[in-house]
Amino acid sequence: QSALTQPASLSGSPGQSITISCTGTSSDVGGYNYVSWYQQHPGKAPKLMIYDVSNRPSGVSNRFSGSKSGNTASLTISGLQAEDEADYYCSSHTNSSPYVFGTGTKVTVL
Amino acid sequence: EVQLLESGGGLVQPGGSLRLSCAASGFTFNNYAMSWVRQAPGKGLEWVSSVGHSGTDTYYADSVKGRFTIARDNSKNTLYLQMNSLRAEDTAVYYCARKYYYGSRAYYSFDIWGQGTMVTVSS
Repeated sequence: QSALTQPASLSGSPGQSITISCTGTSSDVGGYNYVSWYQQHPGKAPKLMIYDVSNRPSGVSNRFSGSKSGNTASLTISGLQAEDEADYYCSSHTNSSPYVFGTGTKVTVL
Repeated sequence: EVQLLESGGGLVQPGGSLRLSCAASGFTFNNYAMSWVRQAPGKGLEWVSSVGHSGTDTYYADSVKGRFTIARDNSKNTLYLQMNSLRAEDTAVYYCARKYYYGSRAYYSFDIWGQGTMVTVSS
């Protein structure tokens, strides 16, 4: 199972919005509404930000939102803040394994 | 406090073996499926293996199938990963992670992660 494709890096100024894409195939992202997003700060464990494409766990800021169209899922961070600077990973259920992760996106707040 | 604490990492020679442990606390361990996820230095996350709440159902990434074995001891609230025939490309931080449940449903997500344990395969 190949990793899902994400842009290597994105940047934005405080207050702006950015959108991270996560592209897979009909065997994973496109075939199931089981896309999750994780935030990882350097040296820390990942944190669940979005599950089932667009749902936020309790405690996650509503500045984070998820969506999906076809084989591509997206994570949008609105009102970008300094603490949002981190690596972000998507994951999806697939027809051949329970999980596959994306390649990861480094978000920089300018 | 809900917590996962990994241990057992270290330096091992290629072809060697290592067993990782993950001690769970603060929740009813036998109600949750569990997984191992690894991250090579400077690289992304890679799902390694998962086990159902009873220990009967197990799943592996192709990259570790036949070499790694996941298991759990619900009486000890502990998850294990037995790693054999280790290769340089297995070098990574290994995280244990809890499957996310909300209400009566399980989701293909991980809501609780340990701090990770480093495995280095090198001669």
